[in-house]
Amino acid sequence: ETGVTQTPRHLVMGMTNKKSLKCEQHLGHNAMYWYKQSAKKPLELMFVYSLEERVENNSVPSRFSPECPNSSHLFLHLHTLQPEDSALYLCASSQDAGSTDTQYFGPGTRLTVL
Amino acid sequence: GENVEQHPSTLSVQEGDSAVIKCTYSDSASNYFPWYKQELGKGPQLIIDIRSNVGEKKDQRIAVTLNKTAKHFSLHITETQPEDSAVYFCAASKSNSGYALNFGKGTSLLVTP
Repeated sequence: ETGVTQTPRHLVMGMTNKKSLKCEQHLGHNAMYWYKQSAKKPLELMFVYSLEERVENNSVPSRFSPECPNSSHLFLHLHTLQPEDSALYLCASSQDAGSTDTQYFGPGTRLTVL
Repeated sequence: GENVEQHPSTLSVQEGDSAVIKCTYSDSASNYFPWYKQELGKGPQLIIDIRSNVGEKKDQRIAVTLNKTAKHFSLHITETQPEDSAVYFCAASKSNSGYALNFGKGTSLLVTP
């Protein structure tokens, strides 16, 4: 297991629920990422934070709301999701925010939206 | 934007044989090429990466080769073992171009005893 942890590992929620995913990195990195992994599709970058500041938002619907209170913690707040949002949500971190900085992934949260 | 194609989508080999996974990329300015291994129930783990200033890199049974002219790079696993069974992803990116790693769709490798 890497130095990136995610909770919960599994989550089932209804379309009207509000839930949050948590990520914590123990690597002393400055950048954190949220990715969505769906079957038969490449990983999709959702959000990037660098030193607690959001630097990228890849046209993600507003029902996904990220929060980065410090460089070690990252949250993804979920509200009024759709069944097509069911996927594995992965958190990653890297020393600095950049496309050529090595990214280290957590184990993911398997989300099912009913 | 960058487009990364990965082949094959599934690969089955016998234990002890070699496995090769190939990726092509579209942006000639790409200069960073990592490979990730994802086991069931886990997140992707970096297994090896290569930057465009070298043509080959090796780490025990794993090697990656890069052909910048042809814009393709490959992962080679020798003496495969059942624990090598997993999904492997290639990715490509370039410096000073946002934050995204552009991933392939993955190759599901099965090593049978």
